[in-house]
Amino acid sequence: SQQGEEDPQALSIQEGENATMNCSYKTSINNLQWYRQNSGRGLVHLILIRSNEREKHSGRLRVTLDTSKKSSSLLITASRAADTASYFCATDSSTGTASKLTFGTGTRLQVTL
Amino acid sequence: GAVVSQHPSWVICKSGTSVKIECRSLDFQATTMFWYRQFPKQSLMLMATSNEGSKATYEQGVEKDKFLINHASLTLSTLTVTSAHPEDSSFYICSAKGAVAGRFLAFFGQGTRLTVV
Repeated sequence: SQQGEEDPQALSIQEGENATMNCSYKTSINNLQWYRQNSGRGLVHLILIRSNEREKHSGRLRVTLDTSKKSSSLLITASRAADTASYFCATDSSTGTASKLTFGTGTRLQVTL
Repeated sequence: GAVVSQHPSWVICKSGTSVKIECRSLDFQATTMFWYRQFPKQSLMLMATSNEGSKATYEQGVEKDKFLINHASLTLSTLTVTSAHPEDSSFYICSAKGAVAGRFLAFFGQGTRLTVV
């Protein structure tokens, strides 16, 4: 079953604007990860934030995690047309080699020129 | 970064035939591999988890006799869709998890688009 719910389901912005996507989950986690998927392709790992971290940066990406609210956000600053893709959050709730990722519903981001 | 190769990238087969999809970790040993299914514009649904040398653990609602998973080595897992039907048409993605550069992460293949006609 899906653990994460993401909103918005779809987001359309102009190049240069910031894009914010939110993810909510239901159970306790070890970490939360964000992935990007271009249409019909595999997933690319963007960033991982551990349960004891509150914020993490990677280039134009900023991820926050609020474990008390069981939510996370992904901010893409100064968006580019090439950022057009679907973005998924995924929670890791198990330990050791038995862990598995549970994916959210995804946000489809469209960046127009 | 670590590379996971999934083959084929797309396949069209006739109803009733079987299709095998391969997932290989090219530069690391994958202690665990995962198989996901994704319908258009939807999220990834975990089908099964497999550890090298042992039987796969299937998620609820996934038919183990329909979707055969073999994880014969630390670098190869296969998913066989047996007696495929049009409703099996979907995008299948594998993920391999192992120790890379001191971290234990999962890496994804490029996916296989299966069309059953």
